[in-house]
Amino acid sequence: GAVVSQHPSWVICKSGTSVKIECRSLDFQATTMFWYRQFPKQSLMLMATSNEGSKATYEQGVEKDKFLINHASLTLSTLTVTSAHPEDSSFYICSALDPDNQPQHFGDGTRLSIL
Amino acid sequence: GESVGLHLPTLSVQEGDNSIINCAYSNSASDYFIWYKQESGKGPQFIIDIRSNMDKRQGQRVTVLLNKTVKHLSLQIAATQPGDSAVYFCVRGKLIFGQGTELSVKP
Repeated sequence: GAVVSQHPSWVICKSGTSVKIECRSLDFQATTMFWYRQFPKQSLMLMATSNEGSKATYEQGVEKDKFLINHASLTLSTLTVTSAHPEDSSFYICSALDPDNQPQHFGDGTRLSIL
Repeated sequence: GESVGLHLPTLSVQEGDNSIINCAYSNSASDYFIWYKQESGKGPQFIIDIRSNMDKRQGQRVTVLLNKTVKHLSLQIAATQPGDSAVYFCVRGKLIFGQGTELSVKP
């Protein structure tokens, strides 16, 4: 089955640091990937849609300069949390659509902790 | 506005019993629904989906029922096992996640 790999799975860093999270589709090409954020005991909130070769589409209230998204190839999208602060601590999850546009396949998330 | 919500935030069942997780939606234009299972510390895992031209779909130990009249969706898990313990989300279309129901299975 379709596999989406997310790296790193866990990161702790100091306030002010920028953190990059990678999302890879391992056995299919994904023209569209999605980035979600999830707080404890809450649902997933869509942050942005990442389109290969073009700019990402951000949901209302999500700062594009804070959360930089790059989708340079059909198998890789990256999310960079710039100048991270403790309030950015969360569980970040990516997903990808395969060519047949079937339901999204999710990565296993990245737990980000900002001290 | 549209929303996808759940009636029960938590559900506790005995191993071997059947589980029913409910979901309500408000947007009548919804034509595609998906149930995902999320285990602790992991990403959501696809369980089953259903389109609006159907009212029932069955998978392995799971059944999804869609009642368009009352805008209600349910996931039934037969012979619930400890490994079924997780948070279950109904998703409208491909992007809108509901609140989630935490299923706890007691051995």
